[in-house]
Amino acid sequence: GNSVTQMEGPVTLSEEAFLTINCTYTATGYPSLFWYVQYPGEGLQLLLKATKADDKGSNKGFEATYRKETTSFHLEKGSVQVSDSAVYFCALRDNAGNMLTFGGGTRLMVKP
Amino acid sequence: EAGVAQSPRYKIIEKRQSVAFWCNPISGHATLYWYQQILGQGPKLLIQFQNNGVVDDSQLPKDRFSAERLKGVDSTLKIQPAKLEDSAVYLCASSFSFQEKQYFGPGTRLLVL
Repeated sequence: GNSVTQMEGPVTLSEEAFLTINCTYTATGYPSLFWYVQYPGEGLQLLLKATKADDKGSNKGFEATYRKETTSFHLEKGSVQVSDSAVYFCALRDNAGNMLTFGGGTRLMVKP
Repeated sequence: EAGVAQSPRYKIIEKRQSVAFWCNPISGHATLYWYQQILGQGPKLLIQFQNNGVVDDSQLPKDRFSAERLKGVDSTLKIQPAKLEDSAVYLCASSFSFQEKQYFGPGTRLLVL
């Protein structure tokens, strides 16, 4: 079946540091890939997505590239802010349906 | 535009009791989802509705969980009887249609003692 593996957190960074959160997946065919973010006290929000190999999703300074050869979709940001502190979830949706499969989440803490 | 509404936000019950959660999706959204998010894990889909019909309930523990969306708008998820391992956040999401972007509600945090 489908699965998503994320690096465990928490990840603690200083403001303006470079961020990478690793995500790898297992799926048949060509799934769509997503990053969701959950800010404290709020619901899950879609951060970015990519629907085919070599696509790059981007939003709010975050980027992730769909790498089919390594089955990865790592999240990156060049300079994090305190306001980026949240839990980040990598997810996939196979092309057969609308079911999202989530990774376990990675908590990011950014210190001033 | 109003988001997905859920109630209650928090619930504490004892094992073997019953509990119900309510979800009101974004107006006009045909597809509604219930997810279970256990602490430290990602959300897991329990059930998906398209209007008032069930599309996928393969991961719903049907011996104790039930869900309905009678009029194709709001939905109720019930647990009867609850077990300790049901302690989790129950998330509701909706989308305009199948395979469209999902919008999540704030969730209901359940603690079973």
